[in-house]
Amino acid sequence: DIQMTQSPSSLSASVGDRVTITCRTSQTISGYLNWYQQKPGEAPKLLIYDVSSLQSGVPSRFSGSGSGADFTLTISSLQPEDFATYFCQQTFSFPFTFGPGSKVDIK
Amino acid sequence: QVHLVESGGAVVQPGRSLRLSCAASGFIFRNFGMHWVRQAPGKGLEWVAVIWSDGSNEFYGDSVKGRFTISRDNSKNTLYLQMNSLSLEDAAVYYCATDRGVGATFIEYWGQGTLVSVSS
Repeated sequence: DIQMTQSPSSLSASVGDRVTITCRTSQTISGYLNWYQQKPGEAPKLLIYDVSSLQSGVPSRFSGSGSGADFTLTISSLQPEDFATYFCQQTFSFPFTFGPGSKVDIK
Repeated sequence: QVHLVESGGAVVQPGRSLRLSCAASGFIFRNFGMHWVRQAPGKGLEWVAVIWSDGSNEFYGDSVKGRFTISRDNSKNTLYLQMNSLSLEDAAVYYCATDRGVGATFIEYWGQGTLVSVSS
């Protein structure tokens, strides 16, 4: 199975900050990496698919990049509604696996 | 728009069985693969299973393989998860979710989840 790690596991940031979250996989996964946002008490929401494709309706301040086994989610200017937990997921091979999550809270 | 409503969550004893359902609307259900994903209280997301749009293929996570079965009824726009031999570790909110394609590309839309508690 492909193992996933994320860093940091949590971070405190202010509105307007640039935030970067890293996801690493235990083997190369080509372009099969997706990012989800989850707020407390809510279902996850797709932000980015296939490394860098922005899901319809998601603000352009969210972007994804990376290749091989190293990937990044960037929020260019953090907004109040962005305080949440972010998960990466690989869909390169079964079983699909999620990263442990990165919680972004208010500084 | 896509609407997914899970049901069937309950409190069950270890070793017992439970079947979850997911009623889909707002899209052409028979054209899309479907997933189950779970989340234990205060924990991360765990992918459980996927089924192809026509039911021709199924894949499972390691922790549920051999105990859980995913199925669908395209005439009823409904997805199911049959869970047997439940253990304490299966306690979680179970989400159904759509795939972008007919099989397993990536998870696009999620339901609100149904809670399964396992307790003696």
